[in-house]
Amino acid sequence: KAGVTQTPRYLIKTRGQQVTLSCSPISGHRSVSWYQQTPGQGLQFLFEYFSETQRNKGNFPGRFSGRQFSNSRSEMNVSTLELGDSALYLCASSYGTSGGDTGELFFGEGSRLTVL
Amino acid sequence: AQSVTQPDIHITVSEGASLELRCNYSYGATPYLFWYVQSPGQGLQLLLKYFSGDTLVQGIKGFEAEFKRSQSSFNLRKPSVHWSDAAEYFCAVANFTGGGNKLTFGTGTQLKVEL
Repeated sequence: KAGVTQTPRYLIKTRGQQVTLSCSPISGHRSVSWYQQTPGQGLQFLFEYFSETQRNKGNFPGRFSGRQFSNSRSEMNVSTLELGDSALYLCASSYGTSGGDTGELFFGEGSRLTVL
Repeated sequence: AQSVTQPDIHITVSEGASLELRCNYSYGATPYLFWYVQSPGQGLQLLLKYFSGDTLVQGIKGFEAEFKRSQSSFNLRKPSVHWSDAAEYFCAVANFTGGGNKLTFGTGTQLKVEL
């Protein structure tokens, strides 16, 4: 069974640009979550999607957005990039149910974004 | 709000020595607790999890953790460390508010193994 796949693995952008990151969950998983990892702030929750609906959202500005498609694949977008957006963005998937799941997340290897 | 504290930022142990990584949590209800490991340039791999029942849980790679409600702790242990265990370790607690799943992570403990 293939794991969580994130693309691209590495990318470099300049301030003011926008970026879109993609995540393909494990087959059968319907929940996709996104986390930002930085040396200063650690691992922070961005948002979670289930059945194309955002179920939870972290404390990030509106420049950070996401969506989920009918095949459970997800994308996140960051607009008007700032230097502080440089980070490893991790996607995680789980089975998910309409009432929540067991909390076990399976993580991809991440997309490392550098903003110059 | 839930929180997780990992008081040790860095730990160095000799190969073959025992290991204990500390984790304290704050959560109002019965917690769902996890330990993840991250190697450089990689994502997070689940080592073990606690939902309920036996307070001593076994995980992969010879790791185990003990849940102690009275101390709000979920410490990770390994009897004999291997050089390949050098990595960063994260403790996390799940929050199912709103029907979803959100993990709150500790700041991590960087493990160095001396040969």
